[in-house]
Amino acid sequence: KAGVTQTPRYLIKTRGQQVTLSCSPISGHRSVSWYQQTPGQGLQFLFEYFSETQRNKGNFPGRFSGRQFSNSRSEMNVSTLELGDSALYLCASSFTGTGPMNTEAFFGQGTRLTVV
Amino acid sequence: AQSVSQHNHHVILSEAASLELGCNYSYGGTVNLFWYVQYPGQHLQLLLKYFSGDPLVKGIKGFEAEFIKSKFSFNLRKPSVQWSDTAEYFCALDMRFGAGTRLTVKP
Repeated sequence: KAGVTQTPRYLIKTRGQQVTLSCSPISGHRSVSWYQQTPGQGLQFLFEYFSETQRNKGNFPGRFSGRQFSNSRSEMNVSTLELGDSALYLCASSFTGTGPMNTEAFFGQGTRLTVV
Repeated sequence: AQSVSQHNHHVILSEAASLELGCNYSYGGTVNLFWYVQYPGQHLQLLLKYFSGDPLVKGIKGFEAEFIKSKFSFNLRKPSVQWSDTAEYFCALDMRFGAGTRLTVKP
């Protein structure tokens, strides 16, 4: 079956702009989580969506937001971009996400965002 | 709140050396623990996982991890590393990940 698909793969934006990233999870997976990966900070959790509801949220400012659609596809939006937002943004899908019935996370290839 | 700590930021070993990467978590409920690996230029992929039962779990490529509930730990081990184990390793509690440990194995 198809894996997790993230689009676009690469993006270059200027400071102050906004950006929307997309993630299509594995078919049947209802949980989608977003992460920011940078060399210095590792993998930082942004938020998790499950059945169109944000279930968990990391410690990122309100400029970072997301949503999930009824088909489990998810989008992440970053407004008023800053240079420090340059990173690899990873999306992971899971059957349940969290809790006792959790299964492993499957990751997409990521979207490389560069803010200039 | 759930959190995961990986204390080793960068580990450098010679081939055939033994490996132990530390992972501690903070959560009082039922835990689902994972180790993921990211080889250079590749996706994150699952190495092993613990849900319940035998606290010593074995994963791919000779890796194993031990869940010690009293220490809130889930350390990753491998008796003899290879150059091909050079990668970044992430411990996770459900969907919460640690900051990662970069492992460099010198040939």
